[in-house]
Amino acid sequence: DIQMTQSPSSLSASVGDRVTITCRASQSIGSYLSWYQQTPGKAPKVLIYASSTLESGVPSRFSGSGSGTDFTLTINGLQPEDFGSYYCHETYTTRLIFGQGTRLDIK
Amino acid sequence: QVHLMEAGGGVVQPGGSLRVSCLASGFTFRTNGMHWVRQAPGKGLEWVAVIGYDGGYIRYADSVKGRFTISRDNSKNTVFLQMNSLRAEDTALYYCAKEGDYGDFPSIFDFWGQGTMVTVSS
Repeated sequence: DIQMTQSPSSLSASVGDRVTITCRASQSIGSYLSWYQQTPGKAPKVLIYASSTLESGVPSRFSGSGSGTDFTLTINGLQPEDFGSYYCHETYTTRLIFGQGTRLDIK
Repeated sequence: QVHLMEAGGGVVQPGGSLRVSCLASGFTFRTNGMHWVRQAPGKGLEWVAVIGYDGGYIRYADSVKGRFTISRDNSKNTVFLQMNSLRAEDTALYYCAKEGDYGDFPSIFDFWGQGTMVTVSS
């Protein structure tokens, strides 16, 4: 069975920082990888799909890269509204597995 | 604008049943796949089930296969999740999510409801 492993599981950062979150798939998934943001008390929101395509309306400080098994979400210039949890999600298999999440806190 | 509103959550005993629903508006419901995703308290996201636009395609997570049934009524813009033989580990906030139109990339959720809480406890 496919597994999606995110790292780190949590991190602290300051407004203005550059942050990188990684996601590793246990098998190749091509570019079938999305990233979701979830702020406290809210439903998730899609940020990136097809590994690197920015969803309409999402600020350009968010970017994604990778293919195969290794993927990265980068936030350039953290803003106060960016703090929350981030999840990668594979859509290559019918299992549609999410990573375990990365919690991003204010330092 | 797109709006998804879940309903039907509550407290149920282990082994019991519950049906949750999701009423959709603001888009042509009959043309989009719909999903259920759950989140246990303080935990991450877990995909649960999908139903294709016309009900002809259905898949489940292994953790719910044989116990949960997804269905939809396109005349009422509603998707359902019938949950039987409920277990404590099914306790979660259940979100419905709309599948967006992303060409060659399926199963991307462009809109989510606010969720309905299901608690399985004696």
